[in-house]
Amino acid sequence: DSGVTQTPKHLITATGQRVTLRCSPRSGDLSVYWYQQSLDQGLQFLIQYYNGEERAKGNILERFSAQQFPDLHSELNLSSLELGDSALYFCASSGREVGGPTDTQYFGPGTRLTVL
Amino acid sequence: AQTVTQSQPEMSVQEAETVTLSCTYDTSESDYYLFWYKQPPSRQMILVIRQEAYKQQNATENRFSVNFQKAAKSFSLKISDSQLGDAAMYFCAYRRSQAGANNLFFGTGTRLTVIP
Repeated sequence: DSGVTQTPKHLITATGQRVTLRCSPRSGDLSVYWYQQSLDQGLQFLIQYYNGEERAKGNILERFSAQQFPDLHSELNLSSLELGDSALYFCASSGREVGGPTDTQYFGPGTRLTVL
Repeated sequence: AQTVTQSQPEMSVQEAETVTLSCTYDTSESDYYLFWYKQPPSRQMILVIRQEAYKQQNATENRFSVNFQKAAKSFSLKISDSQLGDAAMYFCAYRRSQAGANNLFFGTGTRLTVIP
């Protein structure tokens, strides 16, 4: 158990809908990262938050957004869903923003999203 | 942009034998971190081992060790005394060490099968 929790574990929805994925980082971790794992794109970085502020953006679509709340949990919002958005969405957390030996990312169990 | 290449989509090893998984990466930076993550059928991403680029000594974690060749930009994972529980997808990952974006760049993975 990494200490990172994600809900829900599975989500099935229809095209055009909107969903929210939730992540709680390990106790004490300030950084949260979202990754998407799909069959055709592999593991891709979406977005990073540090202590409530956005720090970096990767290949995140405009239909997707995220935020980190004062209690440090994070939510990833996916809207106008398409079939191609079906994937495993991981949240990871780390203790420090600046790289260092302790700045290792630990992953949650993921949320499997299926868009029908 | 950093790229990570895993040229072996699949590998197999006999139980109790040794196997080496390959990884190469491309970067213009001198300081960075490299990781191997394991993804078993449960889909959980589990950290196996970490290497700091400024360290010449290869990292070791029990049966897992790396061969880090900085000049060649190579980072292979050796698994000794392979066990059935080692069967999984293995991902090589790169991370910058500078402040700011600390996301991971992943390779496409190597599926390891352990033969009893």
